[in-house]
Parts: sequence; structure tokens; C-alpha cells
Amino acid sequence: AQSVAQPEDQVNVAEGNPLTVKCTYSVSGNPYLFWYVQYPNRGLQFLLKYITGDNLVKGSYGFEAEFNKSQTSFHLKKPSALVSDSALYFCAVRDPGGNNRLAFGKGNQVVVIP
Amino acid sequence: DARVTQTPRHKVTEMGQEVTMRCQPILGHNTVFWYRQTMMQGLELLAYFRNRAPLDDSGMPKDRFSAEMPDATLATLKIQPSEPRDSAVYFCASGLPGGQGVNEQFFGPGTRLTVL
Repeated sequence: AQSVAQPEDQVNVAEGNPLTVKCTYSVSGNPYLFWYVQYPNRGLQFLLKYITGDNLVKGSYGFEAEFNKSQTSFHLKKPSALVSDSALYFCAVRDPGGNNRLAFGKGNQVVVIP
Repeated sequence: DARVTQTPRHKVTEMGQEVTMRCQPILGHNTVFWYRQTMMQGLELLAYFRNRAPLDDSGMPKDRFSAEMPDATLATLKIQPSEPRDSAVYFCASGLPGGQGVNEQFFGPGTRLTVL
């Protein structure tokens, strides 16, 4: 079964600094990878996805993610973090050969310090 | 602005009571997912439907939970009887399964359930 790992519980970063949220995946075959963000008391919002093609995927709010097949990683990045980026970030993977289920990671709390 | 709606947003009930949560998926979406989020377990998939048919409910405790789609515009999740350990935020999400591509899921705002 497919799975993702988000190794860090919390990521602290100063406003204006680069932000990276790590994700590694495990799936047989080629993966479909997603990043979602959850603000307090809200549902998850889609940020970006990798299906095929260019390994660097650009998404909403200035976020991007890089697919690395050899390292089975899909790290989320933003060049300059904003205080408003403080939220819970989820990585997810879907097995393209299987059903429509998404396997979510446990989430990473990002705290951007003014 | 199409979005998934969920009712109620908050529910406080006593142990043993029946709880019904409702979800209206985005019009035209034919897959619906129910998730449960807790601090300890994170985000868990309870059940999902395609074209109103349940495809997978292996994540759901069968003895007390049930999920249905009476029509394409309504999905329900029921807990009977409820227990304190059911306290969580329950999310509904909808989407299209994708053909050539893979489409994202759109999440509702959630129902925060507290069972006393």
C-alpha cells in the first residue's frame, strides 16, 4: 500500500527566509503526489500536485515542490515565508494503478516567526 | 464559487446518542470521501463513494458507523451509538476520479464532534 512520511513535527522559520517541508513516499509504480494546507478550524486546501512531466511543480500562494524519484521525495518549498503561511501542511500520495484513495502524511505544523 | 458544504459545523452530544453528519459535494463531482482527524491519529480515511456506490469503507468501525449517499447531492455519516472516542473533526471531500489526469479532492470545512 502507498504511504508518505513527513519526518518533522514542526518547522519553524523566520519571516522572509526559505521554507521547506519534507515528504518522502512509498508506492509501487509511478506516484501521484499532492500537497495540502490546513489553516486553523478549516478544511484542507489543495496546493499543488505532481502527476508527470517537469519535476518542479508550481502551486498556489508561491509554493512549489520538487519530485525526486531516486530519493522518493516530494519536498514543499517557498523561497520567502510569510507569517500567513503558518499552518498545517499535509503530503499525500495516490497509487495510479489502484483506487482513488489518498494516503496522507501526519502533517507538519509550520510556524513562521515575524 | 463551488465548494463542499458540511452540516452541522459543531456538534456536542452525550455518549450513546445518534449523530448524523451531512455533506453536500460539489455539483458534478462523483467521488465522495469521509475523513476523521484527531491529534493522535491524524487524518484517517473512513469511507469513499463513486457514483453514490460505496467503494471502500474499511477504515470505518462497522458496528457503529454507517455512510450513505441517498442522492448525488447528499452524503451522510452516522454514528450510533456514539462514544467519547469518536470525538474528532470529520471532513467530507469530493472530486472527480480523473481519466488522463488525476484530480485533487476538495474538502469541506468539517464537523467538530464532541461526545461527552
